[in-house]
Amino acid sequence: GQSLEQPSEVTAVEGAIVQINCTYQTSGFYGLSWYQQHDGGAPTFLSYNALDGLEETGRFSSFLSRSDSYGYLLLQELQMKDSASYFCAVRDHNGGATNKLIFGTGTLLAVQP
Amino acid sequence: DGGITQSPKYLFRKEGQNVTLSCEQNLNHDAMYWYRQDPGQGLRLIYYSQIVNDFQKGDIAEGYSVSREKKESFPLTVTSAQKNPTAFYLCASSIGGRVLSGTEAFFGQGTRLTVV
Repeated sequence: GQSLEQPSEVTAVEGAIVQINCTYQTSGFYGLSWYQQHDGGAPTFLSYNALDGLEETGRFSSFLSRSDSYGYLLLQELQMKDSASYFCAVRDHNGGATNKLIFGTGTLLAVQP
Repeated sequence: DGGITQSPKYLFRKEGQNVTLSCEQNLNHDAMYWYRQDPGQGLRLIYYSQIVNDFQKGDIAEGYSVSREKKESFPLTVTSAQKNPTAFYLCASSIGGRVLSGTEAFFGQGTRLTVV
C-alpha cells in the first residue's frame, strides 16, 4: 500500500527553527514535495526533492533520503504567518503505469509569540 | 491570468441527491486530480486523470464519478451512493500526465459541500 506519515502537530516560537518529518511507503517514487495550507485555503507548493540532499528556498529547506524513504521540511526564522498545515506529497508511478500524487496526513504548525 | 477555478465555493445538498462540482484550468496541464479533505485531516485522492478521455480511481473513489472530455475540465459528481459526502473538495492540476516531472501541482480554492 501507499502511506506518508507526518507528526500531527508541532509548536514553536517566533524566530525559532522547526523541522517537520515525513516517512513514506509507495510502490513507486518520483520525488517528494511539500505544500503549505492555511486554514480553509488551497494548498500551495513549497519545494520538491527528486534526489538525495538538501534543497534551500529562502527560509525553507527540504531534505530527502531515498534509501531511508524519509524527508523533512526545515523552516527557519519562524514568523506568525507560518502557522499553517504542512503536507508532504509523493508522485507515485505505481510501477510505471500511473502518475498519482499522494499526500501525507499533514502537520499543523502553531507559531507562538 | 492562468489558474484553476472551482465552483461553487459552497454547496448544499439534500440527502439522496447527486451533485456535480466544477473544476476548470487554463494552464494547459495534462494531469488533473480530485481530493477530499475532512476537518483536521490530510488530502485523500478520489480520482485522477493523466490525459483527456482517461482517468483512474484514487484511494476513495466509491460514491464518486468523473469525466475528462476536455483538457481544461474535470468535473466531479458526488452521487447518492457516497454515504458521508460532507467535506472540503479540492481540485488540482499539474504538467504531469505521462511526463516524468516533479513540477508543482496547482490547486483551486475548493468547494465546501454540506449535506442537509
